[in-house]
Amino acid sequence: EDQVTQSPEALRLQEGESSSLNCSYTVSGLRGLFWYRQDPGKGPEFLFTLYSAGEEKEKERLKATLTKKESFLHITAPKPEDSATYLCAVQARGAAGNKLTFGGGTRVLVKP
Amino acid sequence: GAGVSQSPSNKVTEKGKDVELRCDPISGHTALYWYRQRLGQGLEFLIYFQGNSAPDKSGLPSDRFSAERTGESVSTLTIQRTQQEDSAVYLCASSPTVKNEKLFFGSGTQLSVL
Repeated sequence: EDQVTQSPEALRLQEGESSSLNCSYTVSGLRGLFWYRQDPGKGPEFLFTLYSAGEEKEKERLKATLTKKESFLHITAPKPEDSATYLCAVQARGAAGNKLTFGGGTRVLVKP
Repeated sequence: GAGVSQSPSNKVTEKGKDVELRCDPISGHTALYWYRQRLGQGLEFLIYFQGNSAPDKSGLPSDRFSAERTGESVSTLTIQRTQQEDSAVYLCASSPTVKNEKLFFGSGTQLSVL
C-alpha cells in the first residue's frame, strides 16, 4: 500500500527565516510526486510535479527536490503570504495510477 | 466556468438522511476525482472517472457511498443514511489529460452530520 508521511505537522517561521518541509514516501513504482498548497477554505492548488530522483523544480521562493525515498520543499526567505498547508502526494505506476495518495500536510505560518 | 465548481459549499444534515453533492468540472477535462478531507488530515481518495471508462471505485468507504458522472460533465456524489463519521470536506478535482498529472480542485463541500 502506498504511504506518504509529512513532517513537521506544523511550522512557525519568522518572515525571512528559511526552512524545509519533508515528505517521505513508499510506493510500488513512482510515476510522480506532487506538491500542492492549500489555503483555509479552499481546495489544493498545484505547485510542482517531480518524476525522478535528483530532479528539482523552483517557483518563486519554493524549491522542491526528490530522492528515492523522500522529497523536500524548501522555502527561502518566506513572506506572510506563504502561510498555508503544503500537501505532498504520490502517484503510482500501473493499475493504481489513477489516484494520488496524499500525506497529512504541513501547516506553515509565517509571521511578519 | 473558470474553475471547478462544487455545490453546496456547506451542508448540514441529520444522521440517517441522504445527501447529494455536485461537481462541475472544468470544460474539456476528461478526468474527475472525488476526495474526502477530514479535519486536520490529508486527502482520502474516493472515486475516479476517466472519459467513458469504468470508474475506479476502490476508495469508496462503504456501499452507502456512490457517484455518477454523465459523459465528461457534471458528477454527483451521493451518501445514503449519513453517519457522523461522514462529516468532512468533500473535494472534487478535474484534469485535462489522460496522465492526470495536474489536478484542479474545487473549494469543496463542508458536510456536517448531526
